[in-house]
Amino acid sequence: KAGVTQTPRYLIKTRGQQVTLSCSPISGHRSVSWYQQTPGQGLQFLFEYFSETQRNKGNFPGRFSGRQFSNSRSEMNVSTLELGDSALYLCASSPGSETQYFGPGTRLLVL
Amino acid sequence: GESVGLHLPTLSVQEGDNSIINCAYSNSASDYFIWYKQESGKGPQFIIDIRSNMDKRQGQRVTVLLNKTVKHLSLQIAATQPGDSAVYFCAEKTSYDKVIFGPGTSLSVIP
Repeated sequence: KAGVTQTPRYLIKTRGQQVTLSCSPISGHRSVSWYQQTPGQGLQFLFEYFSETQRNKGNFPGRFSGRQFSNSRSEMNVSTLELGDSALYLCASSPGSETQYFGPGTRLLVL
Repeated sequence: GESVGLHLPTLSVQEGDNSIINCAYSNSASDYFIWYKQESGKGPQFIIDIRSNMDKRQGQRVTVLLNKTVKHLSLQIAATQPGDSAVYFCAEKTSYDKVIFGPGTSLSVIP
């Protein structure tokens, strides 16, 4: 099976812009979770979607949002970008609620 | 943000020696624990997991030990190899709740 794929792999934006990141889970996996990884804060949970419904949410401002489509593909959006949003954004998929398999991440740089 | 474990430590071991990576978790209600390995430029990779009804689980060259009394988790790597050099994360989870990651431990293998 193909692994989790994320697009784009690298992205440069300026403050105030918005960005949309995409994640394609492993075939058959219905759960998709998003994480933000920074050197200072480590891996921080953003949200989880299961069968198109948000199942869990982390402690991030409303500028961070996501959605999941009927084919389990997921997107996350960050509006009004801030310098502090520069990070590696990781997507992980799971068949249900346990072991997660991560994609390579999208590295976002906000200037 | 939420996190489990100590501030990111670094562990250096000689090739061929055994490595022990420790982690303290925060939630006594967590019932599922996972170890991930992250190499530079890649997403975290699942290594081994353990449920709270077990205190030890073995994989190929890896063993996870769980001590629920003191909320402590450890990962033992036998005969450490240069390819084991990476950052190792422990993670905890309660049923249908989000995964919380520790800050990670950087393992460096000296040839």
